[in-house]
Amino acid sequence: EGQLVQSGGGLAQPGGSLRLSCAASGFTFDIYSMTWVRQAPGKGLEWISTISHSGGSTFYADSVKGRFTISRDNSKNTLYLQVHSLRAEDTAVYYCADNGDYAAFEIWGQGTMVTVSS
Amino acid sequence: QSALTQPASVSGSPGQSITISCTGTSSDVGTYTLVSWYQHHPGKVPKLIIYDGSKRPSGVSNRFSGSKSGNTASLTISGLQAEDEADYYCCSYAGSSTFVFGTGTKVTVL
Repeated sequence: EGQLVQSGGGLAQPGGSLRLSCAASGFTFDIYSMTWVRQAPGKGLEWISTISHSGGSTFYADSVKGRFTISRDNSKNTLYLQVHSLRAEDTAVYYCADNGDYAAFEIWGQGTMVTVSS
Repeated sequence: QSALTQPASVSGSPGQSITISCTGTSSDVGTYTLVSWYQHHPGKVPKLIIYDGSKRPSGVSNRFSGSKSGNTASLTISGLQAEDEADYYCCSYAGSSTFVFGTGTKVTVL
């Protein structure tokens, strides 16, 4: 059974940077697109970024475009999200997820909290 | 990239059926069948319960069903149970490998 284990996150200052990681196991990582979703405190789920199976194509929500970078290392079965120029409104639980059949997010990471505060 | 519109809350008694609507536009729900639904218990990981509008993943109860008409998708929970109390989110493919989630609906079992 597929599994995604996240690491990274934590406390960052406004304008700061962090890198989130998401290690995959139990499924063929390099044939699936992968996605990051976040949930701010008291808010709903928000799609923020998707990367193609090869890593050659990346897509971002307007709210993070130009500040966040999604990438992957298929040799390590790992997905990344580099976050820059952090703002208070980026405070959220960040989840990684696979883009399974029919573009649905079937496997989710456990989530990692990012808190942006001075 | 505006969020899909869902009712903030829906409630029902055990055994009843409830339906949650998810209204988008012709750029997302109205064009694509790729609508999925997620059950999210606070503090837990979201769980896929419906994909491609009406298909259920293996292991998901057949009390959950999905449908779509025009720009609106719907999730119906029949035979409501206490364990169904959670937040529910729809999500639609919006073209060019982008997605949009719904605003979320809190389901309360009375």
